[in-house]
Amino acid sequence: GAGVSQSPSNKVTEKGKDVELRCDPISGHTALYWYRQSLGQGLEFLIYFQGNSAPDKSGLPSDRFSAERTGGSVSTLTIQRTQQEDSAVYLCASSSTGFTGADTQYFGPGTRLTVL
Amino acid sequence: QQQVKQSPQSLIVQKGGISIINCAYENTAFDYFPWYQQFPGKGPALLIAIRPDVSEKKEGRFTISFNKSAKQFSLHIMDSQPGDSATYFCAASPSGYSTLTFGKGTMLLVSP
Repeated sequence: GAGVSQSPSNKVTEKGKDVELRCDPISGHTALYWYRQSLGQGLEFLIYFQGNSAPDKSGLPSDRFSAERTGGSVSTLTIQRTQQEDSAVYLCASSSTGFTGADTQYFGPGTRLTVL
Repeated sequence: QQQVKQSPQSLIVQKGGISIINCAYENTAFDYFPWYQQFPGKGPALLIAIRPDVSEKKEGRFTISFNKSAKQFSLHIMDSQPGDSATYFCAASPSGYSTLTFGKGTMLLVSP
């Protein structure tokens, strides 16, 4: 079946504007993760959705960042009042159960965000 | 957030050589240690993973060595090929409904 898809693949915005990034996980996967990849900084965890549980938002860097997952499927990451330091590749991953060690996180290709 | 320290940051290996990437962790609750491979413009993909009940796991040319007492683990790529040129990330997590903590990555270039 299809893998994790993300849109847009590239987004250029002006400082202060809001952006929305979309993730379509693999069908049937109950867990969904957002990560941020900055040059030389590896993958930084942002937020984790597990089934119907409250999301783990512990990685969100500021209150300008938020995410939702509708109907247990598609997720949207929203960044309000974007800053230049928000420029990065935003990666989404999904896994079938979310139980690490028992299943695999499958990553999408990412959205490259550039804030001018 | 608990750290996973990865080294080296970049690595150049000749074709046919052995590539070695090292990681160290702090959190003794970690018991799942995957390695991910990422090609330019793509998302990371799981390469190989190990749990601490074994000291080594081998899949083809890729081997993970694990030292629980030292809280270190490493990836060895035998007979490295130009197609192995990619960025490699180690990661760790406790088992359960949790997230992965990633190292900062190693850019590997295998010269022909």
